[in-house]
Amino acid sequence: EDQVTQSPEALRLQEGESSSLNCSYTVSGLRGLFWYRQDPGKGPEFLFTLYSAGEEKEKERLKATLTKKESFLHITAPKPEDSATYLCAVQASGDMRFGAGTRLTVKP
Amino acid sequence: DSGVTQTPKHLITATGQRVTLRCSPRSGDLSVYWYQQSLDQGLQFLIHYYNGEERAKGNILERFSAQQFPDLHSELNLSSLELGDSALYFCASSVVGESGETQYFGPGTRLLVL
Repeated sequence: EDQVTQSPEALRLQEGESSSLNCSYTVSGLRGLFWYRQDPGKGPEFLFTLYSAGEEKEKERLKATLTKKESFLHITAPKPEDSATYLCAVQASGDMRFGAGTRLTVKP
Repeated sequence: DSGVTQTPKHLITATGQRVTLRCSPRSGDLSVYWYQQSLDQGLQFLIHYYNGEERAKGNILERFSAQQFPDLHSELNLSSLELGDSALYFCASSVVGESGETQYFGPGTRLLVL
């Protein structure tokens, strides 16, 4: 069965302390891997889509990478406004399967 | 503001009832996805429509149905509601560009079944 696992469940960082979030997956026929951020009570906000191993995408302080088994979301010098839940999702055969998310807190 | 609108924002109803949730995608987007988010299940994919046709089904119960109309808005119908159907329901529209598919989520409809 397709599975998506995110780690850690929660992460507390000091402002400026870089770190990485992990999304590991087991799916047959990956069509795409998505990263979102979600603030409490709001809809997820799209960040990146990755399609093939070795692909990397960057946006401001965020960089997403993809291998055949996992994806990383690297956060460089985070700020308090980066605090949110980060979700990854894999798309295979039209189905979208989400991980449980990593709740990131960045302290000033 | 993602450009995706959902109505109503909040809905309180009783078990056994039927409700309809509405989603208007961003102008020009042909794809609409429906998702359910609850505390214990996380974000679950329900169904995907593209230009009026069903493209993929996820964990959608038989009591739930959806459709996408010629003007591209979509409706999610939930019937014989149970307490466990209480959740946030999101729709998203998507577009495929040079960097791949981008999904834009609406603000959600919060459903409470009493």
